[in-house]
Amino acid sequence: GAVVSQHPSRVICKSGTSVKIECRSLDFQATTMFWYRQFPKQSLMLMATSNEGSKATYEQGVEKDKFLINHASLTLSTLTVTSAHPEDSSFYICSATSGIGGPYEQYFGPGTRLTVT
Amino acid sequence: GIQVEQSPPDLILQEGANSTLRCNFSDSVNNLQWFHQNPWGQLINLFYIPSGTKQNGRLSATTVATERYSLLYISSSQTTDSGVYFCAAATGGFKTIFGAGTRLFVKA
Repeated sequence: GAVVSQHPSRVICKSGTSVKIECRSLDFQATTMFWYRQFPKQSLMLMATSNEGSKATYEQGVEKDKFLINHASLTLSTLTVTSAHPEDSSFYICSATSGIGGPYEQYFGPGTRLTVT
Repeated sequence: GIQVEQSPPDLILQEGANSTLRCNFSDSVNNLQWFHQNPWGQLINLFYIPSGTKQNGRLSATTVATERYSLLYISSSQTTDSGVYFCAAATGGFKTIFGAGTRLFVKA
C-alpha cells in the first residue's frame, strides 16, 4: 500500500517552454501532497505543500508564478514549471501523506528528472 | 525552523559489517522518518519513528525524542545497502526538513 507515481520520469525541454509533472497516489487518498527538488549530490528541499481544493503553500524563495501547483483531487497533484530555464534543471520529487502507519508519514514518488536545454 | 544534521556524511563498509547512522534534530518532532535513496533516485521508506525503537530485518532504528536524536542500525551489510540514507523530521505539522544524508558504499 501507499504507492505514489509520477509522470513523466524524465523530460527534456527547450528553454522558454512549460513542463507539467503529475503526481498520483495510487491506492490511497492524499489530502496533502508535497513537492521537493533535489540537485545532484544534495539533499531534498521542500518547494511547496499542496492541499486538495486549496492554494498551495510555497516555501520561502520559491517563485509561485514559475512553479504552479494544482491539487485537483484527492489522488492528483500537478507541478507546472513555466518558462523553464536551464537553472530549473533538477530532480523533482513529490510525496503524499496517507495516514497509514503514522499521521505525518510521507510516501514518495519515483521522481522526475527535468533537463532544460 | 528545525535543523536536521546527519553523521557521518560518508561511510564505506566491507560486506558483512555493521554500522550506525546518526540524526540529530534541534526541536521536538511529531514526525521522523528514515529513507534509503537508491541509485535511480527513488526514496524508500525505512522507518516512521518519532519515538521508540523499531526493527525490520537487518535494519533497526531508535529515536530518543527527549535527547533529540535518532539512530539507524544496519547489520550484516550487503552491497545492495549502498546508497544515500536520509533522515527527515517535522515539528508541529507536515513541513519536513531533510538532513544532508549519509552516503553509504558497501564493498563486496
